[in-house]
Amino acid sequence: DVKVTQSSRYLVKRTGEKVFLECVQDMDHENMFWYRQDPGLGLRLIYFSYDVKMKEKGDIPEGYSVSREKKERFSLILESASTNQTSMYLCASTWGRGTDTQYFGPGTRLTVL
Amino acid sequence: GENVEQHPSTLSVQEGDSAVIKCTYSDSASNYFPWYKQELGKGPQLIIDIRSNVGEKKDQRIAVTLNKTAKHFSLHITETQPEDSAVYFCAAGGNTGNQFYFGTGTSLTVIP
Repeated sequence: DVKVTQSSRYLVKRTGEKVFLECVQDMDHENMFWYRQDPGLGLRLIYFSYDVKMKEKGDIPEGYSVSREKKERFSLILESASTNQTSMYLCASTWGRGTDTQYFGPGTRLTVL
Repeated sequence: GENVEQHPSTLSVQEGDSAVIKCTYSDSASNYFPWYKQELGKGPQLIIDIRSNVGEKKDQRIAVTLNKTAKHFSLHITETQPEDSAVYFCAAGGNTGNQFYFGTGTSLTVIP
């Protein structure tokens, strides 16, 4: 079974802090994604990566950056957390391009105070 | 870019009844349409998908239909059970690159 793990289930941070969310997949998938999930808005893509050290902006990249130094690990960075970044963050991975199953992690619920 | 709309946002059915969730998409180049189920406290999980060369696909109590001309696709769950209660997301993809576009989700409650 594909396993996608996220470093924390719950995080509470203060405004202005730098926040790191980590995601690890164990299936040698090429592509990895970060989404945020908000009620009534569904899943919105923040960034994705199709290879090590490669990244592309999704629909809402402002205020976020990413890092992919190893194939299995994809990190989401909030350079200076703000209250409007309070959300559920979901990581996903796929083997191939846009017609492959996305496998999701359990999510990290981030609260920024 | 692609725009996926999903209806209804909430749905309550009696156990044993059928549930239908509908999605529309805007980009005629999309050719892959998965459905995900998200249970409380978990990430979304694929339950069924359909590709543009097929009009209908079934897997036990779950079926998906696709009308490419009208750009809409639907999820049908028959003989609903309490464990079907979850949030369901539709998505469209395969047009360009790796990106999926998700609907806003439907919260399904099956009343015992």
